[in-house]
Amino acid sequence: QITLKESGPTLVKPTQTLTLTCTFSGFSLSTNGAGVGWIRQPPGKALEWLALIYWNDDKRYSPSLKNRLTITKDFSKSQVVLTMTNMDPVDTATYFCAHSAYKYGGSLFDPRFWGQGILVTVSS
Amino acid sequence: EIVLTQSPATLSLSPGERATLSCRASQSVSSYLAWYQQKPGQPPRLLIYDATNRATGIPARFSGSGSGTDFTLTISSLEPEDFAVYYCQQRSTWPLFGQGTRLEIK
Repeated sequence: QITLKESGPTLVKPTQTLTLTCTFSGFSLSTNGAGVGWIRQPPGKALEWLALIYWNDDKRYSPSLKNRLTITKDFSKSQVVLTMTNMDPVDTATYFCAHSAYKYGGSLFDPRFWGQGILVTVSS
Repeated sequence: EIVLTQSPATLSLSPGERATLSCRASQSVSSYLAWYQQKPGQPPRLLIYDATNRATGIPARFSGSGSGTDFTLTISSLEPEDFAVYYCQQRSTWPLFGQGTRLEIK
């Protein structure tokens, strides 16, 4: 059974750096063709892809946010970490981590498995 | 940047009816289009990938069609659990979602 769970602060101040952790089980990110990504959703609004990390440590970032984002993985802990610098109230959103693999069909940007998300509020 | 326009914004139908949701891209995305279903308080659920392929476990009443700039998600006969928000997403360039169609009970 594949599960993912997001953790981190639920309240950050403007200009601070947000660090979110995705802890997963049921798959290995060292397996060829696997990936974990981060997607966010402001309250009542649409979804937005942020970043994706591949099994081989390749990384992709949103062009509009790439200067603020870093995605890393920790094999030993089955975790993927996203950092976002210089947080602003417009970054208030639910942040999801999600997993896919080429063996499921499609792309790693078509995630099959999602965490429940964590609501992060940016406010002073 | 590719823009995805979903229509209608809200669709009001009754269980048993057929639902047709549209997603139009501002430029060709080939067949690199997916559809997701999202219910309140839940993460999205992948329904369709590469325009026409149902994801594992998705009922056959869901089908996708189209290529290039015009795509359709069809639900052949609505079940009560199908009332939700539906998003399309392209991955021809950096992946981008549409604004969603809310499917509500009439």
